[in-house]
Amino acid sequence: AQSVTQPDIHITVSEGASLELRCNYSYGATPYLFWYVQSPGQGLQLLLKYFSGDTLVQGIKGFEAEFKRSQSSFNLRKPSVHWSDAAEYFCAVVAGTSYDKVIFGPGTSLSVIP
Amino acid sequence: GAGVSQSPRYKVTKRGQDVALRCDPISGHVSLYWYRQALGQGPEFLTYFNYEAQQDKSGLPNDRFSAERPEGSISTLTIQRTEQRDSAMYRCASSLEKTDTQYFGPGTRLTVL
Repeated sequence: AQSVTQPDIHITVSEGASLELRCNYSYGATPYLFWYVQSPGQGLQLLLKYFSGDTLVQGIKGFEAEFKRSQSSFNLRKPSVHWSDAAEYFCAVVAGTSYDKVIFGPGTSLSVIP
Repeated sequence: GAGVSQSPRYKVTKRGQDVALRCDPISGHVSLYWYRQALGQGPEFLTYFNYEAQQDKSGLPNDRFSAERPEGSISTLTIQRTEQRDSAMYRCASSLEKTDTQYFGPGTRLTVL
């Protein structure tokens, strides 16, 4: 069955430091991959997505992610974190035989130290 | 509309009561999804519609849960005979088509006493 794992439950970084959030998926075919961010009390907002083509994807708010098929990974990165980036981050994969079922990972909570 | 809207935003009900949660998707969006999100967890897929047709309901926990989208726009998720374990945030999302970006609503926080 398809699944998404995010090994880090919680990460704390200092403002201005670089960030990498890990995501691994389990899916036989080529998946469609997403990263969403959820700020406290807010809905989920799409940061970026990968469907095909260039494996390095640029998103909003200075985030990027790289699809590595050999590692079944889609890690999210940001070179310099801002205090406003503190939030919950979810990796998701669209899978299923008709590419219609979205599986979310458990999330990584990011705290930013001023 | 400007975005996906859900109502009510908060619902407190007594165990055994039925509840109906409403989702109003972005105008023109073909696909509509329902998720349940427990505290500290990622959204869990419940069901999905293309237009008015329910394409996949494999995520519905049991037969107390049902959903409809009769005219291919507004959708209602109904939980009958609610139980305390049904307490969660229920989120709706819509997209232009099934593989496109999903836009999420603010959610309905359901509390079953």
